[in-house]
Amino acid sequence: KQEVTQIPAALSVPEGENLVLNCSFTDSAIYNLQWFRQDPGKGLTSLLLIQSSQREQTSGRLNASLDKSSGRSTLYIAASQPGDSATYLCAVRRVSGTYKYIFGTGTRLKVLA
Amino acid sequence: DTGVSQNPRHKITKRGQNVTFRCDPISEHNRLYWYRQTLGQGPEFLTYFQNEAQLEKSRLLSDRFSAERPKGSFSTLEIQRTEQGDSAMYLCASAGGPPAVETQYFGPGTRLLVL
Repeated sequence: KQEVTQIPAALSVPEGENLVLNCSFTDSAIYNLQWFRQDPGKGLTSLLLIQSSQREQTSGRLNASLDKSSGRSTLYIAASQPGDSATYLCAVRRVSGTYKYIFGTGTRLKVLA
Repeated sequence: DTGVSQNPRHKITKRGQNVTFRCDPISEHNRLYWYRQTLGQGPEFLTYFQNEAQLEKSRLLSDRFSAERPKGSFSTLEIQRTEQGDSAMYLCASAGGPPAVETQYFGPGTRLLVL
């Protein structure tokens, strides 16, 4: 059974700092992994998708890496801004036989001005 | 606005009542997902449609829950005989294109409170 864990659960950093969010999963047979952002009381916004054959993806100040063998992904945020404050969730989809995405519980990020 | 829309945004009901939520996906998307999210948790998968076919249902989707997607367009999620444990945010997402690079677009959610 796939389980997804995100550490830390909450993080508070001063503006401008670079930071790393962690996601670990128990079953390395994944189809892809996505990172999402969720603002309070809102739906989710997809940030980055990494296919199982890829090692990393980049979008602007965001960089996500994937190490399937160790069951880990990291989301790196460069030069954090107060507007980055949100909950960040990772989700994995198994290789086959399911369309289900398994989500972690998220990291609640607060960037202080 | 061509994003995913959900109605109603908020619903308060009494235990034992039936409720129905609607999701309108992005028009060209053939895949549609329903999730449930409780406070402090990530979304939990409920069910998945490809066009009008419901291809997967979670064991979380008890016999009180039913979802439909007639004609492969909008979808409805009905909860019968609501219980206080059904209180949660119900999220809908749609997706299109190749599955390997699928990006899910989420709606704003329907927040349900069962009294």
